[in-house]
Amino acid sequence: QSALTQPASVSGSPGQSITISCTGTSSDVGTYNYVSWYQQHPGKAPKVMIYDVSNRPSGVSNRFSGSKSGNTASLTISGLQAEDEADYYCSSHSTTTTLVFGGGTKLTVL
Amino acid sequence: QVQLVQSGAEVKKPGASVKVSCKASGYTFSNHYINWVRLATGQGLEWMGWMYSKSGNTGYAQKFQGRVTMTRDTSINTAYMELSSLTSEDTAVYYCARVPLGVERYYFDYWGQGTLVTVSS
Repeated sequence: QSALTQPASVSGSPGQSITISCTGTSSDVGTYNYVSWYQQHPGKAPKVMIYDVSNRPSGVSNRFSGSKSGNTASLTISGLQAEDEADYYCSSHSTTTTLVFGGGTKLTVL
Repeated sequence: QVQLVQSGAEVKKPGASVKVSCKASGYTFSNHYINWVRLATGQGLEWMGWMYSKSGNTGYAQKFQGRVTMTRDTSINTAYMELSSLTSEDTAVYYCARVPLGVERYYFDYWGQGTLVTVSS
């Protein structure tokens, strides 16, 4: 099972908005609304930021939002803050395996 | 509060096996699925498999079939992941992660702190 495709890196200045894409196939992202996004700071465990494409867990800032179109899901972070600098991973349920992750995107806040 | 506390770092030789534990507290252990995910240096997160804590039923990623075994001891609220025939490519941080209650849940709401497994001769 191939990993979902994410850009290796994105960057933005404080206050700006950025979007991270996550491209899969009709076997995963395109068929199921079970896309999640995780934030991981160095040396820390991942933290779920978005689940089921666009739902935010309690306690996650509303600056984080998720969407999906066809085989591509997206995570948007608005009003960038220094603390948002981290690695971000998408994941999706798949017809061929229970779960597949993206390769990860390093977000740099300039 | 919900906590998943994993066992400490391990150093293993190629060909050996490693068994990582994940002790749960703050919730009813048997009601939830536990999954295992690893992160190798320079790589992304990699899903390894799931286990239903009540029944012990498991499902593994094809890549790890035949090499990984997930078990649990409900008397001490602990899940285990054993990986055999280790190679240097298995050097990674291994995480246990809990699936929240509900139908068709494919994400993780709580994670262990991670266990570094180093495979080196």
